Amino acid sequence: KNEVEQSPQNLTAQEGEFITINCSYSVGISALHWLQQHPGGGIVSLFMLSSGKKKHGRLIATINIQEKHSSLHITASHPRDSAVYICAVRGQGAQKLVFGQGTRLTINP
Amino acid sequence: DTAVSQTPKYLVTQMGNDKSIKCEQNLGHDTMYWYKQDSKKFLKIMFSYNNKELIINETVPNRFSPKSPDKAHLNLHINSLELGDSAVYFCASSQSVWYTEAFFGQGTRLTVV
Repeated sequence: KNEVEQSPQNLTAQEGEFITINCSYSVGISALHWLQQHPGGGIVSLFMLSSGKKKHGRLIATINIQEKHSSLHITASHPRDSAVYICAVRGQGAQKLVFGQGTRLTINP
Repeated sequence: DTAVSQTPKYLVTQMGNDKSIKCEQNLGHDTMYWYKQDSKKFLKIMFSYNNKELIINETVPNRFSPKSPDKAHLNLHINSLELGDSAVYFCASSQSVWYTEAFFGQGTRLTVV
């Protein structure tokens, strides 16, 4: 079992829907990252958080340290949000990220 | 002006060949990484360098040899390529080894035939 598990693995929704992607991890962490990988292959860092909640445009990331769980929400989803979303954690005292398997999101017009 | 650039973007080569992938960052970051993404899109760290010094080597076959001539460059050389080396390789950098936000290159898709 991977240290970082994401759900769902695949998600298809209609434009405008509210999207939630979940990430659970099994170790104590110092930071959690959400990354976006576009169909063209490039990877972009969306959020880095260690507590609470962060918002950027239509994207919201939350983390519950006690429950070892994070969610990425997309409001008013759009076809351009179609991508693979990857959760990654850095363990306490660790110098590397451990990645989830990614969630492939498809937003249909 | 690309922050982390890696070349080439695509690389097709025969088994047994030796190849290199280059990476450069213009962000002034101290730490650089190589990641491998397999066919299932799973990312895994291979190497990490901090100020030209190797700090992470994740049980990668010794056919893979990273080289950091300065802290802005981290190249990956692969000897005796095997079919299983086919993957997308990403270079990334971060301000420090304690993983502030990571910036990724666009990836190099290596296909070994």
